[in-house]
Amino acid sequence: ELKVEQNPLFLSMQEGKNYTIYCNYSTTSDRLYWYRQDPGKSLESLFVLLSNGAVKQEGRLMASLDTKARLSTLHITAAVHDLSATYFCAVDPGPNSGYALNFGKGTSLLVTP
Amino acid sequence: DSGVTQTPKHLITATGQRVTLRCSPRSGDLSVYWYQQSLDQGLQFLIQYYNGEERAKGNILERFSAQQFPDLHSELNLSSLELGDSALYFCASSVGTSLTLHFGNGTRLTVT
Repeated sequence: ELKVEQNPLFLSMQEGKNYTIYCNYSTTSDRLYWYRQDPGKSLESLFVLLSNGAVKQEGRLMASLDTKARLSTLHITAAVHDLSATYFCAVDPGPNSGYALNFGKGTSLLVTP
Repeated sequence: DSGVTQTPKHLITATGQRVTLRCSPRSGDLSVYWYQQSLDQGLQFLIQYYNGEERAKGNILERFSAQQFPDLHSELNLSSLELGDSALYFCASSVGTSLTLHFGNGTRLTVT
């Protein structure tokens, strides 16, 4: 069974600081997704990483994928309050599971002044 | 707006009852996925349909069932409800398989 572990699960950081969220997964996969969820809201797709070494950036967020290490990172640069949300990584287990994404437990990020 | 529509937004019902959650995927999307989100279990995959056929099953209880209709909308049926079934139920859709899932706004189910 594919396991997806995120850390930290809770993160409080000051505005202007940098930090990295880590996502480890247990079996081979070449597809990894990052989603954002605001409280009581739906999940919004942030990044799709489709190959080893893939790097995607959008604003203050940058995601990368190392398939050999089974590790993805979401790096936050110069955090602002608007980034406060829960961030999920999700891994595609492949055809045997219908490509249904396995999600980590999420990282709740709070950016404070 | 993801284009995925879920109804109702909120549902409050009693233990032992049965409810139906409805999902309309984005126009053109053939795959529909159902997920359950709770504080203790996180986001759990329940079941997936592709163009009307069941494609994959996750941690779906026997009391739960789903189907996808010819017009591609899907329904998730939850029966003999228990307190522990209280959760946020999400539907997601994608054009095919192995592509980005687009999530609806969810149905919040409260079992009392």
